[in-house]
Amino acid sequence: QQQVKQSPQSLIVQKGGISIINCAYENTAFDYFPWYQQFPGKGPALLIAIRPDVSEKKEGRFTISFNKSAKQFSLHIMDSQPGDSATYFCAASPDSGNTPLVFGKGTRLSVIA
Amino acid sequence: NAGVTQTPKFRILKIGQSMTLQCTQDMNHNYMYWYRQDPGMGLKLIYYSVGAGITDKGEVPNGYNVSRSTTEDFPLRLELAAPSQTSVYFCASSYRFRTEAPIRGYTFGSGTRLTVV
Repeated sequence: QQQVKQSPQSLIVQKGGISIINCAYENTAFDYFPWYQQFPGKGPALLIAIRPDVSEKKEGRFTISFNKSAKQFSLHIMDSQPGDSATYFCAASPDSGNTPLVFGKGTRLSVIA
Repeated sequence: NAGVTQTPKFRILKIGQSMTLQCTQDMNHNYMYWYRQDPGMGLKLIYYSVGAGITDKGEVPNGYNVSRSTTEDFPLRLELAAPSQTSVYFCASSYRFRTEAPIRGYTFGSGTRLTVV
């Protein structure tokens, strides 16, 4: 099943707080999970990605946590800043690498001061 | 280095009209994609191409057509525009379907906001 379920649809976080966005999938053939960030009026851009051979990947304030048995992965934004306000998409790709990425429906994050 | 360039940025069409959304990339990417983005619905794949002369349908191809005569260009054609085609359209390109470090994923254009009235 080619689907990635993303939640919540929207999120409001105080400046300095932790933003958490969750994604779940059913297709066990997925083995590459990128996150894309989209600012208003712009196209999405790759933020961070993980493969299931690790349970966590960190780049600066952004961390992906991966739970293979639960078929879930999440994006954590530590010390959230107003500049992080954007729409975030999770995505997945099968291990064959022969089909395009499947995207979640997106989460609109607003970080307020 | 321009990346992915989409034109026009905005367009209003009347029902039944046709138009072509232009997309060009200067990164020598073989793979190109067209997505539409509707509020709360995420990115839905319309068509994609793995090289010049090769195209394939995505999740929502009805009402659209594409061609890929060169590596650089991947235009999207709307025939007989309908209100359901009101959306923001994004073109993207990549080296492959999945690209990992150091190659950084899909490169998206800035989008075309289309309204059909």
